[in-house]
Amino acid sequence: AQSVAQPEDQVNVAEGNPLTVKCTYSVSGNPYLFWYVQYPNRGLQFLLKYITGDNLVKGSYGFEAEFNKSQTSFHLKKPSALVSDSALYFCAVSYPGGSYIPTFGRGTSLIVHP
Amino acid sequence: DTGVSQNPRHKITKRGQNVTFRCDPISEHNRLYWYRQTLGQGPEFLTYFQNEAQLEKSRLLSDRFSAERPKGSFSTLEIQRTEQGDSAMYLCASSPRAVEAFFGQGTRLTVV
Repeated sequence: AQSVAQPEDQVNVAEGNPLTVKCTYSVSGNPYLFWYVQYPNRGLQFLLKYITGDNLVKGSYGFEAEFNKSQTSFHLKKPSALVSDSALYFCAVSYPGGSYIPTFGRGTSLIVHP
Repeated sequence: DTGVSQNPRHKITKRGQNVTFRCDPISEHNRLYWYRQTLGQGPEFLTYFQNEAQLEKSRLLSDRFSAERPKGSFSTLEIQRTEQGDSAMYLCASSPRAVEAFFGQGTRLTVV
């Protein structure tokens, strides 16, 4: 079985400040980890992924995420937030034993204040 | 536009009617997924295809739900005898391999 937890329903940050959106996962085996962003009434847009290799992965729009195997976490980060980053963010996990089917978390609403 | 295309974007139907949604994946993507998303929740997996083979359908919500992918190209999701609880966003995604999936804009279903 696989699952994803996003412990924060909402994250508030001031524009220009660093942001972190948290994600922890549970899988039986090596995980594939993903972050997606969703704007209102739109589908999900892929941001970045971790499959193997360096624990720090960089993605679109200046976002990055750090894979931490011991803490089973994959937190999304950005050094300087923009108002336009305000959206819903979803973490997802897949793994070989689960036919690589992505399982999503409940999502975190990021609000960046001017 | 070479992204995943879903039609219609919006569908309003009366309870008890059947509805069918279409998904056109990115060309040459052999994996195609269907998810459902309700307000305040993440996407919930329904079913997926590897080419024309439906490899997982046990997570379809009831026997009123069915999906097809003839010839391994576009896919359809049908809901028979719709209920108000079926109101949701239905998302389709495709993937070239078992890595990241690319999503369409979704079909919003409202059952009245």
